[in-house]
Amino acid sequence: DADVTQTPRNRITKTGKRIMLECSQTKGHDRMYWYRQDPGLGLRLIYYSFDVKDINKGEISDGYSVSRQAQAKFSLSLESAIPNQTALYFCATSVPGTSGRDNEQFFGPGTRLTVL
Amino acid sequence: LAKTTQPISMDSYEGQEVNITCSHNNIATNDYITWYQQFPSQGPRFIIQGYKTKVTNEVASLFIPADRKSSTLSLPRVSLSDTAVYYCLVGSETGANNLFFGTGTRLTVIP
Repeated sequence: DADVTQTPRNRITKTGKRIMLECSQTKGHDRMYWYRQDPGLGLRLIYYSFDVKDINKGEISDGYSVSRQAQAKFSLSLESAIPNQTALYFCATSVPGTSGRDNEQFFGPGTRLTVL
Repeated sequence: LAKTTQPISMDSYEGQEVNITCSHNNIATNDYITWYQQFPSQGPRFIIQGYKTKVTNEVASLFIPADRKSSTLSLPRVSLSDTAVYYCLVGSETGANNLFFGTGTRLTVIP
C-alpha cells in the first residue's frame, strides 16, 4: 500500500463550488505539505504543517485553507473554486534529522482538479 | 530565502554524462542542498543531498565547491528513462526554505 495517499485522484467541479482534497499518510511523519503544479511549471507551496497544531502559509495560500485533523491527515479546501485553480495538487510528508536525507519529502500520487 | 537558479532545459544523448548546475548565492551556513527528480504526472522523488564537497550514491553525484554558492548534479551515462525535471532546493530542516521547488531543469535524453 502507498505510504502517502490522496483522494480523490481526479475531480471536475464548477466555479463557486467548495472542494476538499484529502491526504493521508502511514509514514508516521509530523510534517505535511500541499503543493500545486500548473502545466509546464514547477511546484508551488500552498500550506505546510510541522505538527498537528501547526499551520503555515506558503507561497500561494490565497483562496485555499487547510485542516490538520491528526498526524496522519492533512486536508486542503477550496472554499469557492475558480477556473485558475485548475491544477495538479500534491501532498507530501517529511521528517527531519536523517543524515544525508534530511527533511526528505515523500509525495502522494497527486489530485488532478479541473474547475469549469 | 536562499533562491536557486537553474537552466530551464537541457538535452543529452543516451550514454553521456549530464551535469546540471544550480546557483544559490545566498545560501546560509546551516543550509544543505537537495535535488529531486520528477516524471510527468508524478510527485518529485529525492535524488541526493549534500552540505559540502562531494556526495555520491547509486544514482548520482553532487559536487559542491568550497564557497557553496553553487552545486552540480551529475548523472552518469544517462538513459531515456532519465528524461525528467530536476529540482535544486536549498534550506535547513528547521525552516521552510527547502520547500521551494521553482521551475527546475527539464532534461531530455535523446536516443
